[in-house]
Amino acid sequence: AQSVSQHNHHVILSEAASLELGCNYSYGGTVNLFWYVQYPGQHLQLLLKYFSGDPLVKGIKGFEAEFIKSKFSFNLRKPSVQWRDTAEYFCAVNPFGQNFVFGPGTRLSVLP
Amino acid sequence: DTGVSQNPRHKITKRGQNVTFRCDPISEHNRLYWYRQTLGQGPEFLTYFQNEAQLEKSRLLSDRFSAERPKGSFSTLEIQRTEQGDSAMYLCASSISGHTDTQYFGPGTRLTVL
Repeated sequence: AQSVSQHNHHVILSEAASLELGCNYSYGGTVNLFWYVQYPGQHLQLLLKYFSGDPLVKGIKGFEAEFIKSKFSFNLRKPSVQWRDTAEYFCAVNPFGQNFVFGPGTRLSVLP
Repeated sequence: DTGVSQNPRHKITKRGQNVTFRCDPISEHNRLYWYRQTLGQGPEFLTYFQNEAQLEKSRLLSDRFSAERPKGSFSTLEIQRTEQGDSAMYLCASSISGHTDTQYFGPGTRLTVL
């Protein structure tokens, strides 16, 4: 069965630090890839998505992600985090024609 | 902003009772999904509809769970004879079908079974 793993359960950073959250998936075919964010008390919101083309995808709020097909990875990055980036981040994979599979999430805490 | 809405937002019930949740998708979206999310986990797929047809159900969806989307617009998820293990956040998402399917989520219904 397809699965999505996220390397870190909880990441704690100071403001202005750089962020990289890992995501790996197990599916050999064509996939669509997503990162969603869930701020405290709010619903899941789409940060960015990759369907095809340039493997470096830019999303909202200064986030970007890079698809590396050979590594089955789609890591999320931000050069300088802010306190308001404190949230839970979910990687999701949508193997073409099949349903979404979400990772377990990474909780990010940014210290002011 | 007419996003995905869900009602109720919170539901507390006693074990053995039946509960029903409602989801109203984004109006032009023909696909509607139900997920369950427990603490510390990502959303787990339960079932989805394309228009009024229920196209797939997860093994997580026991026979106590039933979902409908009678007119291809809003959907209901019913849990019969609730158990404490059913306590979770139930999420609804909607999308427009296609190979670039992007799901938009509602706020969820938090179910607590006592």
